Amino acid sequence: SQQGEEDPQALSIQEGENATMNCSYKTSINNLQWYRQNSGRGLVHLILIRSNEREKHSGRLRVTLDTSKKSSSLLITASRAADTASYFCATAGRSYNTDKLIFGTGTRLQVFP
Amino acid sequence: EPEVTQTPSHQVTQMGQEVILRCVPISNHLYFYWYRQILGQKVEFLVSFYNNEISEKSEIFDDQFSVERPDGSNFTLKIRSTKLEDSAMYFCASSVGLAGETQYFGPGTRLLVL
Repeated sequence: SQQGEEDPQALSIQEGENATMNCSYKTSINNLQWYRQNSGRGLVHLILIRSNEREKHSGRLRVTLDTSKKSSSLLITASRAADTASYFCATAGRSYNTDKLIFGTGTRLQVFP
Repeated sequence: EPEVTQTPSHQVTQMGQEVILRCVPISNHLYFYWYRQILGQKVEFLVSFYNNEISEKSEIFDDQFSVERPDGSNFTLKIRSTKLEDSAMYFCASSVGLAGETQYFGPGTRLLVL
């Protein structure tokens, strides 16, 4: 089984609706980061939430973290067509010798105008 | 805003050839990483680098791979003898420190091995 798994794998919504993506992981973490990737392009960092935080906001983004359930969610409010992309969660382990990120499988979000 | 840059954006090579992928991390960052993403798959960690040495590497990062920071700005990934299965997008990333700092990714180099 994999460290990071997002669900749903794909999500289609209309502009103006909210989009919620979930991420589950298996090991203890230091932090969890969400990234966005437009088709075939680079990874854009969206938000980082630390293991001692439960919720974080950035503009239209809201991230929650439940370490007891080893899960996180990313909410995009009032979605726009430009939000169409793949969204990945990535976890950093608790080792202080390294910070390699373990990525999830991603959620492909399609926002229709 | 500072950003990680990578060159080339695309590289096509013949199987067995050597390739060098280049990255310029953000200038005040101290930790550097390479990841790869095979088409349609998840992003995978390859190697992390700090203080001019490898701090961690994955099983993917075998003897065919090497990394170097030849000067104060560049960070390179060399694949000595490319295989078909090395075809992927390769991402460089950098961060200020460990312990939960944000990793900033470059735009990637798409490598195609024929």
